[in-house]
Amino acid sequence: QKEVEQDPGPLSVPEGAIVSLNCTYSNSAFQYFMWYRQYSRKGPELLMYTYSSGNKEDGRFTAQVDKSSKYISLFIRDSQPSDSATYLCATYQGAQKLVFGQGTRLTINP
Amino acid sequence: ETGVTQTPRHLVMGMTNKKSLKCEQHLGHNAMYWYKQSAKKPLELMFVYNFKEQTENNSVPSRFSPECPNSSHLFLHLHTLQPEDSALYLCASSQASSTDTQYFGPGTRLTVL
Repeated sequence: QKEVEQDPGPLSVPEGAIVSLNCTYSNSAFQYFMWYRQYSRKGPELLMYTYSSGNKEDGRFTAQVDKSSKYISLFIRDSQPSDSATYLCATYQGAQKLVFGQGTRLTINP
Repeated sequence: ETGVTQTPRHLVMGMTNKKSLKCEQHLGHNAMYWYKQSAKKPLELMFVYNFKEQTENNSVPSRFSPECPNSSHLFLHLHTLQPEDSALYLCASSQASSTDTQYFGPGTRLTVL
């Protein structure tokens, strides 16, 4: 079983739509959860970082962790064409050892 | 230069060649990482260095040989690679704590013929 599972998509939505991106993880001991955004021909950049359960909001982005179901989500409100990228969920398997989902390729159509 | 830089950005090599990838971080960090990103597969950690010392080798074949001469520079020496080693190789850096944010470079796109 993969430690982090993510639907690779692709996902295509119209501008202004609410986007929901999701991952599941296997180990209930995982505590830190990240969303990275990767534009074409670039390295991943950290978008959101959450600890344990709950929500975290940053502008149009909301990260949500549900530890009871081992489910993490990223919501994008009022999506823009500039949000088109691959979104990677990640968690720490151990000290400094990030494990990633496969990434979901998102396209926002004007 | 700012952040994490990597050179070259693209590399094509034959299976008998020897080449090196270079990474430099300008963030004052003391931990550096190599990751491999293959098509349709998750980003995969290869090596971790803390204060120039290798602390993690994620069962990487010996044809990949890392070198960390100081906390700002990281190399990945490549020799006798296979076509399946073609991938995007990403370098990252962070403070040497267990859950500190890792900052990634733009990667080197490697093609092995």
